[in-house]
Amino acid sequence: AQSVTQLDSQVPVFEEAPVELRCNYSSSVSVYLFWYVQYPNQGLQLLLKYLSGSTLVKGINGFEAEFNKSQTSFHLRKPSVHISDTAEYFCAVSGTEQGAQKLVFGQGTRLTINP
Amino acid sequence: IAGITQAPTSQILAAGRRMTLRCTQDMRHNAMYWYRQDLGLGLRLIHYSNTAGTTGKGEVPDGYSVSRANTDDFPLTLASAVPSQTSVYFCASSLTGATTDTQYFGPGTRLTVL
Repeated sequence: AQSVTQLDSQVPVFEEAPVELRCNYSSSVSVYLFWYVQYPNQGLQLLLKYLSGSTLVKGINGFEAEFNKSQTSFHLRKPSVHISDTAEYFCAVSGTEQGAQKLVFGQGTRLTINP
Repeated sequence: IAGITQAPTSQILAAGRRMTLRCTQDMRHNAMYWYRQDLGLGLRLIHYSNTAGTTGKGEVPDGYSVSRANTDDFPLTLASAVPSQTSVYFCASSLTGATTDTQYFGPGTRLTVL
């Protein structure tokens, strides 16, 4: 079975500071990993995804994530955050069940940017 | 603008009532999904459909039903709502349903069952 653990439910940081949102996964098959962002009162949108190849994945809005197979992690980073990055961030692992894509989400990390 | 629309935006419903949440996509995606989002639990899959005419059960299907009569529409029905179904419901779609697909999400429906 696949699972995702987001180690922090809330992360407060100051504007222009760096941030890392942590994600650990468990999967017995090929690993496809996703980070989604949810702005207040909106649906989720894709930040980035890892399918294969380079372990450093760059996404939208200056975010990047590094796939680490030995540590089963896929942490999300941004070197300098802005007020507009305030949102909830979800890590997810993708698999197949009964021929359909199954996205298993973590519990989410609420990122709060303080001025 | 291409994307997913959901209706209603929010609804307050008496327990025992029947309710259908609507979802429409105009991206010609084959696969569609319904999730519920609850605080501290992330998103959990209720039902999915790989293509028009087929549906399947997700992680938390009890109390919900779906149909997929055509490519664009994927309604979710609560036959007899209960308070534990109070949640935010998201519809999503992806091109083929492959494990590498990106899923695109609608804006959500906030449902309160009293």
